Amino acid sequence: GAVVSQHPSRVICKSGTSVKIECRSLDFQATTMFWYRQFPKQSLMLMATSNEGSKATYEQGVEKDKFLINHASLTLSTLTVTSAHPEDSSFYICSAGMGQIASPLHFGNGTRLTVT
Amino acid sequence: GQNIDQPTEMTATEGAIVQINCTYQTSGFNGLFWYQQHAGEAPTFLSYNVLDGLEEKGRFSSFLSRSKGYSYLLLKELQMKDSASYLCAALDSNYQLIWGAGTKLIIKP
Repeated sequence: GAVVSQHPSRVICKSGTSVKIECRSLDFQATTMFWYRQFPKQSLMLMATSNEGSKATYEQGVEKDKFLINHASLTLSTLTVTSAHPEDSSFYICSAGMGQIASPLHFGNGTRLTVT
Repeated sequence: GQNIDQPTEMTATEGAIVQINCTYQTSGFNGLFWYQQHAGEAPTFLSYNVLDGLEEKGRFSSFLSRSKGYSYLLLKELQMKDSASYLCAALDSNYQLIWGAGTKLIIKP
């Protein structure tokens, strides 16, 4: 069964509005979660690493004020896309490892964001 | 720089065998992952290699040569449901995952 739950799976929003995406680890505590973005026919692009109880670490080129990440508990991380624009339309995926540093990632089912 | 190379697309026939290659250049190395991703879905874990050699898991096997910076994923007895993208990802010295662009595998009857 799924070990990482992501919600919503699809969202359509108007330009200028904000969208929140939730990622929950089920049955395990994730001190670190990863947020990825994937454009069609392209690879996963790491946006940021979410650390429980501290600020997220953003990859170069990712605007931290636009993509707000909160990791308030060991089982929940949220990504808020603020003032969304059509170019933010993409597939957003969260993932978490299960403790060991080289453990495989378990991915949420992804969120397809469409900004009109 | 760090880089992962894998073919963009491959085509194979149902029931056959296909090998998807991946070469990597990373700052340090702590293992290599293979993931399967169906269209519109999130990736799912297939295999992890950190030592040289072949790891077999049912119809899927993964091979690693650290000295050559090379891995392959071998899929046997191909089924139509194996049509997907296969992502190669290497773990560098900082345990950061470096992702390949994925190989789209098309299975024909």
